[in-house]
Amino acid sequence: KNQVEQSPQSLIILEGKNCTLQCNYTVSPFSNLRWYKQDTGRGPVSLTIMTFSENTKSNGRYTATLDADTKQSSLHITASQLSDSASYICVVSRSNDYKLSFGAGTTVTVRA
Amino acid sequence: NAGVTQTPKFQVLKTGQSMTLQCAQDMNHNSMYWYRQDPGMGLRLIYYSASEGTTDKGEVPNGYNVSRLNKREFSLRLESAAPSQTSVYFCASNPVGTGELFFGEGSRLTVL
Repeated sequence: KNQVEQSPQSLIILEGKNCTLQCNYTVSPFSNLRWYKQDTGRGPVSLTIMTFSENTKSNGRYTATLDADTKQSSLHITASQLSDSASYICVVSRSNDYKLSFGAGTTVTVRA
Repeated sequence: NAGVTQTPKFQVLKTGQSMTLQCAQDMNHNSMYWYRQDPGMGLRLIYYSASEGTTDKGEVPNGYNVSRLNKREFSLRLESAAPSQTSVYFCASNPVGTGELFFGEGSRLTVL
């Protein structure tokens, strides 16, 4: 069973609207959690990193949250733009060996 | 400012043929990785190299071999391609301990 589960698998939103992506993990011991953005036909690029002590972190219109107690993270996209259309991947790092566990990703489609 | 460069970007093989995917990074990173990405699944680690001169198996190494030629270059070889190896392959690198992966643009391989 994958140790990182993302939901929804895909979603479609209208330009200008907000959306929230979810990431639940069972990885232990926890080191950090990263959100990557992968444009179609490109490699993933890191958006933000969350460590154990951080609850919220923003990168422009992207805001990530982390609840280390419930092992849940979310990525909120505010005022979506067409360029936000991409796959968003949650990656959790283990602290003892830095092993990375990848979620399957959420595909976001922003329509005009 | 090339980052991680992969070649070729596209390749079509017949079952049983061999080929090598090339990867080079110019960021002086110690660690390099090869992943495959299939629809509906997270990125899966094939092989990794923690430093020049060392390589280790990931979660899906069967059918592949790797060579860490020097600190910059990490190649992936398919000795006898099978249709199950049809996938998009990503090379990545990272500095020791930071966790952030820097990905190449991907190599799309089709095995007929």
